[in-house]
Amino acid sequence: KNEVEQSPQNLTAQEGEFITINCSYSVGISALHWLQQHPGGGIVSLFMLSSGKKKHGRLIATINIQEKHSSLHITASHPRDSAVYICAITLMASAGGTSYGKLTFGQGTILTVHP
Amino acid sequence: DAGVIQSPRHEVTEMGQEVTLRCKPISGHDYLFWYRQTMMRGLELLIYFNNNVPIDDSGMPEDRFSAKMPNASFSTLKIQPSEPRDSAVYFCASSRRRANSPLHFGNGTRLTVT
Repeated sequence: KNEVEQSPQNLTAQEGEFITINCSYSVGISALHWLQQHPGGGIVSLFMLSSGKKKHGRLIATINIQEKHSSLHITASHPRDSAVYICAITLMASAGGTSYGKLTFGQGTILTVHP
Repeated sequence: DAGVIQSPRHEVTEMGQEVTLRCKPISGHDYLFWYRQTMMRGLELLIYFNNNVPIDDSGMPEDRFSAKMPNASFSTLKIQPSEPRDSAVYFCASSRRRANSPLHFGNGTRLTVT
């Protein structure tokens, strides 16, 4: 079983719809990341969070540490939001410390927003 | 800020050949990461450096893979000899030392080994 599980694997929406992508993990973490990969292949870091909620424009990310669960929400979705959204975790730091960039990835959610 | 720069964007080579992928991190970033993305396994961390020193190479698949960071502005990932199963997109990323510093990814190198 993967340490990071995302759902759904594929998501199709109409422009303007509210979208939620879920991420569950099974280990202790230092941080959770949401990444966006465009059809051209480039990867952009959307959020890094260890508690609570973050918002950037139409994107909102939440995390519940006790339940080991995070959600990424997109409000008023637009065709340009079509991309693969990847959840990734940084495992709890070892005694020697670790970089927040040492990531374990989910399998990604393919989002398609139709006009 | 030019971002993380990778070269080449595409590489096609024959099995058995040596392949070298290059990465220039963002100036001032302390950490550099090499990731690989395949359809079967998704994204995986291969190795990462802190201040040019390799910290964790447990993700490097086998001895055919090696990575170096001779200075703060340049890193290479070398595969010798290459095999068809090495075909993937290889990403380089960098970040600052500070907690909560986001990762910045390069555009990736798409490697095809025939």
